[in-house]
Amino acid sequence: AQSVSQHNHHVILSEAASLELGCNYSYGGTVNLFWYVQYPGQHLQLLLKYFSGDPLVKGIKGFEAEFIKSKFSFNLRKPSVQWSDTAEYFCAVNRYSGGGADGLTFGKGTHLIIQP
Amino acid sequence: GAVVSQHPSRVICKSGTSVKIECRSLDFQATTMFWYRQFPKQSLMLMATSNEGSKATYEQGVEKDKFLINHASLTLSTLTVTSAHPEDSSFYICSARRSGDQSYNSPLHFGNGTRLTVT
Repeated sequence: AQSVSQHNHHVILSEAASLELGCNYSYGGTVNLFWYVQYPGQHLQLLLKYFSGDPLVKGIKGFEAEFIKSKFSFNLRKPSVQWSDTAEYFCAVNRYSGGGADGLTFGKGTHLIIQP
Repeated sequence: GAVVSQHPSRVICKSGTSVKIECRSLDFQATTMFWYRQFPKQSLMLMATSNEGSKATYEQGVEKDKFLINHASLTLSTLTVTSAHPEDSSFYICSARRSGDQSYNSPLHFGNGTRLTVT
């Protein structure tokens, strides 16, 4: 079975610091990769996704992620965080079964706190 | 656009009773909806895939007789937790895929979730 591992459960940074959240998945076939964000009291929102092509994908709010197939990784990055980035971040994998995508497999999430 | 609404947002019920949670796509039709549950400080776990007009597909380890899913229309899927027990207390979240977007790269739209507490 596929799984998603997020290495950092809690991260505390100061504003303007750079961010990198790790994500590794275990599945040998074709996968689609996602990062979702959940702000306090709100629903999950898609930050960015990778399906194919350029392994460096850019998302909303200045986030980007790099797919490294050899490392089964899809790390999320942002060069300069803001206080408003305080949220829960989830990495997810969608196994492409050919007949329509499966539901997502999520990592446990990373709680990011940005201190002013 | 692409709003998914869940109702109720919070529910408290007594052990042994049944609870129904609704997931509606408000401005689009959704052939496929997914139900997840999330325990405190844990990841979202896919419970089942709900397909309009057909039986739901359950993930391994999820009891289909306990978690009844009905997807009778293109805008509504319901999850009924039957004979609820305290261990069923969790956060239940649905997501929906717009009808016609059956390709693997179609986006999923999430509801706000339902907090179920069984006493």
